[in-house]
Amino acid sequence: GAGVSQSPRYKVAKRGQDVALRCDPISGHVSLFWYQQALGQGPEFLTYFQNEAQLDKSGLPSDRFFAERPEGSVSTLKIQRTQQEDSAVYLCASSLEASVLPAPSSYTDTQYFGPGTRLTVL
Amino acid sequence: GQQLNQSPQSMFIQEGEDVSMNCTSSSIFNTWLWYKQDPGEGPVLLIALYKAGELTSNGRLTAQFGITRKDSFLNISASIPSDVGIYFCAGHPSQGAQKLVFGQGTRLTINP
Repeated sequence: GAGVSQSPRYKVAKRGQDVALRCDPISGHVSLFWYQQALGQGPEFLTYFQNEAQLDKSGLPSDRFFAERPEGSVSTLKIQRTQQEDSAVYLCASSLEASVLPAPSSYTDTQYFGPGTRLTVL
Repeated sequence: GQQLNQSPQSMFIQEGEDVSMNCTSSSIFNTWLWYKQDPGEGPVLLIALYKAGELTSNGRLTAQFGITRKDSFLNISASIPSDVGIYFCAGHPSQGAQKLVFGQGTRLTINP
């Protein structure tokens, strides 16, 4: 079956341009996550959606970053007035259900990652 | 914020050797996960651990959730060329956040 897809796979932007990155989660997955991965580092959390509701945006680095998931399926991460420090791979992940907190214990909350979008800001 | 300290940062081994890497944290995690990432791809889940003390195997891979809930290790036995890649530990922090916190990664290189 189809996994998480992201587009574009590569994006080059001039400093100051706006960019939009798209994520198509696995069909039927309730939860959707965005992560930022700098070169040589592990992914870092940006934001989380449960259906169309953005429940956690604590990882967004500035108000230039905005994410939406209006119909609870496809999500878009928008970065306004890009800066060189925004250069990174942006990963999207989805899971079938939200974790049952405080003790996630089911395969249904496994996060499946897309291939990422590599953003280079010149 | 919570951080996972992963070691070693890189490993250079001969094909057939066993591999061990670990992850530690100063705070408690509810789950420990091990992912592998190949160039140009997203992380792929290898093993998930949900209970303190849990020891789980997946083929040649074995991982354990530390009893203190602050550490985990991953072992790979009899390494083969396709094991090359970057391995990340990750976990759900104890505050109940849905997000995953990742380690810095261990880059595994295998000499044939």
